[in-house]
Amino acid sequence: DIRLTQSPSSLSASVGDRVTITCRASQSVRNYLNWYQQRSGKAPQRLIFAVSTLQSGVPSRFSGGGSGTDFTLTISSLQPEDVATYYCQQSYSTPYTFGQGTKVEI
Amino acid sequence: QVQLQESGPGLVKPSGTLSLTCIVSGDSIYNYYWSWIRQPPGKGLEWLGHIYYSGNTDYNPSLKSRVTLSVDTSKNQFSLKLISVTAADTAVYYCARVEPMDQSLTWGRGTLVTVSS
Repeated sequence: DIRLTQSPSSLSASVGDRVTITCRASQSVRNYLNWYQQRSGKAPQRLIFAVSTLQSGVPSRFSGGGSGTDFTLTISSLQPEDVATYYCQQSYSTPYTFGQGTKVEI
Repeated sequence: QVQLQESGPGLVKPSGTLSLTCIVSGDSIYNYYWSWIRQPPGKGLEWLGHIYYSGNTDYNPSLKSRVTLSVDTSKNQFSLKLISVTAADTAVYYCARVEPMDQSLTWGRGTLVTVSS
């Protein structure tokens, strides 16, 4: 199985701060790396797919980057509605796997 | 746009069978893979497996001997069956559509299943 390691596990930042979450894969996943946002008590929602493509309706302050084994999710200016847990997921090979999550607080 | 709704018992007895159905609306079940994912309370996400509309399946080896997926194209729905459940199978169970270009997931709302006597 491909292991995904996210860092940090949690962070607290101020409104307007730039926030970066990293996701490292145990082997190359090419560009099959996706990010999901899960607000408290809700289902995950696709945020970014194929490394850097924003889901329709997602604010442009979110961006994704990286390649191979190292990926990032960046929020350029943190907003109160961004409080959530963020998960990376590889869809390169089954079993699909997820990072352990990064909890973002303000 | 596609909508997914999980349904099934919220309480299952230990050693029993967990059975859930995902009803797909807003789009056809044809030409897609359909997944199940679960999340124990306060924990992370685990992919259980997926099924193609034609019935081809792929399971997570960690659960392969206990899980069965099926699809009913006439009802536009697919199902999960997990046998010999224990308290460790208590989780929110999500169904999801696998997007064909990148295999990312479009999620249902989820349903909590508790394993308890």
